[in-house]
Amino acid sequence: KAGVTQTPRYLIKTRGQQVTLSCSPISGHRSVSWYQQTPGQGLQFLFEYFSETQRNKGNFPGRFSGRQFSNSRSEMNVSTLELGDSALYLCASSLAALAGDTDTQYFGPGTRLTVL
Amino acid sequence: AQKITQTQPGMFVQEKEAVTLDCTYDTSDPSYGLFWYKQPSSGEMIFLIYQGSYDQQNATEGRYSLNFQKARKSANLVISASQLGDSAMYFCAMRELYTDKLIFGTGTRLQVFP
Repeated sequence: KAGVTQTPRYLIKTRGQQVTLSCSPISGHRSVSWYQQTPGQGLQFLFEYFSETQRNKGNFPGRFSGRQFSNSRSEMNVSTLELGDSALYLCASSLAALAGDTDTQYFGPGTRLTVL
Repeated sequence: AQKITQTQPGMFVQEKEAVTLDCTYDTSDPSYGLFWYKQPSSGEMIFLIYQGSYDQQNATEGRYSLNFQKARKSANLVISASQLGDSAMYFCAMRELYTDKLIFGTGTRLQVFP
């Protein structure tokens, strides 16, 4: 079974631009979560989608948004990029049919975003 | 609020030796899940082991075992017979109740030397 895939793997943008990252979950997984990893802040939860609905959201500004499609694939968008948005963005998927289920989250390889 | 604490920024271990990576947690939820992930320099987070708060026995997965002490709120990862390929960052994480949200610790960098 194929793992979580993320595209692109590397991205370089300039301040003020916007970016869209894509995540394809493991087949059969319906929940997709996004995390930002930086040296200063560590791993921080961005948001979680289940059945095309945002089920939970972290403490990030409105410039960070996401969506999930009917095939469970997810995208996250960052508008008006800032230097501080440079990070590794990780996507994770799980079966998680019900909130509170203890299914494991499996991560993709990440997208490394550099903002110049 | 939930919190994960990993107090060892870095650990060194010789090949074939066992090593324990510390993790303490804080939560008021009656039920929770604890996870360990490995992150090599490539960046991907690799799931290692899971422990549920109501599990009576410590979890084991091959060379990985979790020393779960609920009263002490600790969930230490034990790696037996270390290998050079075990060199990586290791993160302890806790799942919030009723969500898919994982709260991570700051990680421990493990270096295995010959």
